[in-house]
Amino acid sequence: KAGVTQTPRYLIKTRGQQVTLSCSPISGHRSVSWYQQTPGQGLQFLFEYFSETQRNKGNFPGRFSGRQFSNSRSEMNVSTLELGDSALYLCASMFGGSSYNEQFFGPGTRLTVL
Amino acid sequence: AQTVTQSQPEMSVQEAETVTLSCTYDTSESDYYLFWYKQPPSRQMILVIRQEAYKQQNATENRFSVNFQKAAKSFSLKISDSQLGDAAMYFCAYRSGGTSGSRLTFGEGTQLTVNP
Repeated sequence: KAGVTQTPRYLIKTRGQQVTLSCSPISGHRSVSWYQQTPGQGLQFLFEYFSETQRNKGNFPGRFSGRQFSNSRSEMNVSTLELGDSALYLCASMFGGSSYNEQFFGPGTRLTVL
Repeated sequence: AQTVTQSQPEMSVQEAETVTLSCTYDTSESDYYLFWYKQPPSRQMILVIRQEAYKQQNATENRFSVNFQKAAKSFSLKISDSQLGDAAMYFCAYRSGGTSGSRLTFGEGTQLTVNP
């Protein structure tokens, strides 16, 4: 079974631009979560989508948004990029809705904002 | 809100020796899960071990085991017979139970170095 895939793996943008990151979960997984990892703030939860609905949201400004498609693939969008948005963005997928299930992480997208 | 604290930013261990990584957490919930994740230089997060809060027995996975002290809200990871491949950043994480979703709250991480 293929793992969680994220595209692109690396991205360079300039301040003020917007960016879209993509995450394809493991086949059959309906939950996709996004995390931001920075040296200063560590790993922080952005949001979770389950069956195309946002189920949980972290404490991030509205510039961060996401969506999930009917095939469970998810996209994350950041508008009006700021230098502080430079980070590793990880997505993770999970089979069902129960907290008991194991979550599998993708390799991440490294975003650099210049 | 739940918090997770890892007080050891860095640890080192000799190959074949045993090392313990510390983690404390704060929660008012009774149903939750605790995890240890490993993040090697490739940045791929890998689940090492999971503990259900309702289980009194400490989880073990081969050379990895935990010491779960629920009353003290402590969740340490013991790595026995350390190998060079164990070198990585280790994160302790908390998840609420039930159908509350997959949200993980992570600690700051502990960078583990394994010396040959």
